[in-house]
Amino acid sequence: AQKITQTQPGMFVQEKEAVTLDCTYDTSDPSYGLFWYKQPSSGEMIFLIYQGSYDQQNATEGRYSLNFQKARKSANLVISASQLGDSAMYFCAMREGRKGGRDDKIIFGKGTRLHILP
Amino acid sequence: GAGVSQSPSNKVTEKGKDVELRCDPISGHTALYWYRQRLGQGLEFLIYFQGNSAPDKSGLPSDRFSAERTGESVSTLTIQRTQQEDSAVYLCASSGVFAADTQYFGPGTRLTVL
Repeated sequence: AQKITQTQPGMFVQEKEAVTLDCTYDTSDPSYGLFWYKQPSSGEMIFLIYQGSYDQQNATEGRYSLNFQKARKSANLVISASQLGDSAMYFCAMREGRKGGRDDKIIFGKGTRLHILP
Repeated sequence: GAGVSQSPSNKVTEKGKDVELRCDPISGHTALYWYRQRLGQGLEFLIYFQGNSAPDKSGLPSDRFSAERTGESVSTLTIQRTQQEDSAVYLCASSGVFAADTQYFGPGTRLTVL
């Protein structure tokens, strides 16, 4: 069964608009972490933001925020005031299991390709 | 300090040949991951090393794939008798031991099997 689901294979957004990239996850572990990465056309993987399952507040990093809805198992990425440079693939990822334990590998969703239009 | 490095950056090989891909993680990172990314696709988990624990090999697609890691340092991913469907970018990442620790990715090795 897929653990991380990103339902939007591609999105087109006008520059300066806010954009929400969807991510739902599946885990029975009470302790987990959620990550978002950006992969521009150059291929590098760039870490954007992290949310822990016990964090009380939604994570924010500059123009990036994570809309964490634990009961819905949803961790959507919100990019405010989008820029042309935001055009890239975006991956949602999850790490579950005990700290340092065998199970805590990080797994990725299939990604969403975001196109920012001038 | 230095980030995750991978070598070679590009590898072209003939079908049936063996290849070895190398990853140098960030010093002190106990966790090391290998992923495969086919063109336009997501990251496919291959194998995960965490400290001295037995590696999680659950993502290796066939017995032609194997990986080793020496302590908490260099890792090599070996693909034997390469097939055309092995063509992809192979990404290595390392991280610390805690759940919140970010993965840092290397630039990848682009493997082309002719």
